[in-house]
Amino acid sequence: GENVEQHPSTLSVQEGDSAVIKCTYSDSASNYFPWYKQELGKRPQLIIDIRSNVGEKKDQRIAVTLNKTAKHFSLHITETQPEDSAVYFCAASNYQLIWGAGTKLIIKP
Amino acid sequence: SAVISQKPSRDICQRGTSLTIQCQVDSQVTMMFWYRQQPGQSLTLIATANQGSEATYESGFVIDKFPISRPNLTFSTLTVSNMSPEDSSIYLCSVPDRINYGYTFGSGTRLTVV
Repeated sequence: GENVEQHPSTLSVQEGDSAVIKCTYSDSASNYFPWYKQELGKRPQLIIDIRSNVGEKKDQRIAVTLNKTAKHFSLHITETQPEDSAVYFCAASNYQLIWGAGTKLIIKP
Repeated sequence: SAVISQKPSRDICQRGTSLTIQCQVDSQVTMMFWYRQQPGQSLTLIATANQGSEATYESGFVIDKFPISRPNLTFSTLTVSNMSPEDSSIYLCSVPDRINYGYTFGSGTRLTVV
């Protein structure tokens, strides 16, 4: 069945540096790719998303890139801050969200 | 974005009992999704609840264990039946966001079975 692979499972970066999380998907019909941030004990929150007709989208310090040919998409966070520490999930959707396993992002002061 | 009220936020239950989780949405939505999130894990879709029809269950989940009601377009319940410690998890409901293509989540129910 369809699946989404997410790497790395844990990412530790120095405050102020950039963080990149990568996902690959298997269903070529997927047309919507959201990224969610989940802080400890809280619900997942949508932070950015991209549709298949767009190659890149940016929102302040966060950007997402999509390579449809290679079937992978990435989340880029620049100038990381302590409040960026959380678990990040990617997902791919045709008619149903297929979730990645999550990346625990640790921002070291 | 839709606002979802999910209850209870947490509960500790005895094995063999059942717990019903409620989600109330502030707008009408065609589909509601129920997820399970085990500690340190990703989200696993349990079922999709459509108003006026039987819920659609994912592989590994059955109606007898996780009965779902969807009496109208703003409300749904998920029951976790005959609970065992393996059912200890966070349960989340979710609806599509009408403004963008994202999905909004309820605040979650943290279930502990003892």
